[in-house]
Formats: sequence, C-alpha cells, structure tokens
Amino acid sequence: AQKVTQAQTEISVVEKEDVTLDCVYETRDTTYYLFWYKQPPSGELVFLIRRNSFDEQNEISGRYSWNFQKSTSSFNFTITASQVVDSAVYFCALSEAPGRDDKIIFGKGTRLHILP
Amino acid sequence: DVKVTQSSRYLVKRTGEKVFLECVQDMDHENMFWYRQDPGLGLRLIYFSYDVKMKEKGDIPEGYSVSREKKERFSLILESASTNQTSMYLCASSYPSQTSGGTSSYNEQFFGPGTRLTVL
Repeated sequence: AQKVTQAQTEISVVEKEDVTLDCVYETRDTTYYLFWYKQPPSGELVFLIRRNSFDEQNEISGRYSWNFQKSTSSFNFTITASQVVDSAVYFCALSEAPGRDDKIIFGKGTRLHILP
Repeated sequence: DVKVTQSSRYLVKRTGEKVFLECVQDMDHENMFWYRQDPGLGLRLIYFSYDVKMKEKGDIPEGYSVSREKKERFSLILESASTNQTSMYLCASSYPSQTSGGTSSYNEQFFGPGTRLTVL
C-alpha cells in the first residue's frame, strides 16, 4: 500500500538559516509521482513541484531544492536562506501509476516556523 | 490562472442540519476532489469525481455524499451534520492523468481556499 511519512511535525528555524523537510514514501509501483505542496496561513494549498519516479535529477528553483533518492525512498525539500514568508505547512504527496484513479496520498505535513 | 473557489470560508452549523459545501473550478478540469484536513491527520480524501455524474468514495466517505451535475461544480453534502465533522474542508481539481506511448503524465491538483466548518 502507498504511504507518505513526514516525520517532522513542526520545525522552527531563525531567518536566513537553511532547513530541510524530510519525506519518505512507500509504494509497490515502479511508476509513481511525488509532489510537494505549501499551505500558507491563508489555507490554500499551493503546488510546488512534481517529480516522476524515472527522473532522479535533483531540482532547484530559487531558494528551493528537492533531493529525490529512490534508494532510500525519500524526496526531501530544502529551503536555503529561509525567510519569514516561508512559514507554512508543507505537504509531501504520492500518486501511483496514473489511471482512472487519480488520487494523491498526502503526508501529515510539517509545520515550518521561520523566526525573524 | 486556475481558479478553484469554495462557497464559504467559514461556516457554523448545528448538529443535525443538512450542510452543502460548494466548489467551482474554471479550468475545465475533469477531476474534482473533496478532502478534510484535521490537525495531526493531514489531508484525507472524502470523495472524488472524474466526470459529470461520476463519483467514487475516498478514504473517509461515511457521513458524506457528493453531487456533480456540471463539470465545473462539485458539491459536498453532510446529510445530518455531527460535531465530529467539524473540520477544514478543501476542494481540488485537476486534469486526468494521461498515458501515451508507454509514457504517463500525472497532473497536479489545484486547491481552493478551504471552508472551515464548525458543527455545534
């Protein structure tokens, strides 16, 4: 069965520090997709990244970077030089081989506090 | 920009009332989803729909029903609200995933702002 574990419930760092949010997943499929979403205090989930299981290249987008490692079933998210606006709940999510059932399984989220 | 709107940001209802939560998307997405979000439990799928008049149960459908009469609108119905249905409700939509020539693509879900429902 598919499962997403975000072991860090809550993290607090001081502004400008780097922070990594962990995500470990379980799936029996060889084809799957991984996602990260951000939920700011306004409540609306914002899509950050999608990665398919055949693409293990790390991704960098500004201060955000993602490290996908199939060997450890992890898809970690790093924020470099954190800012107060990065304070939010971050969700990692998994979807198995696409088909009629386009469901996503979400982790329980990590609440990130960036302290000024 | 994709827009998913939900009828209310905050809603207070009494136990036993029938409650309708409406969700509208303007991107012609086939898929629509209803989740509830509770502290420590993350997002849990209640129902989803991949076409008009089509619906499938998610992980926690008990106590809920849905309606999709038009492609852009997906309603969540609490037939008789109970206090344990106090929660944040999130609607999402997406294009269906596609498989072509052995390659598949999965499309991300776009979320509405959520409705915080309190049942007294």
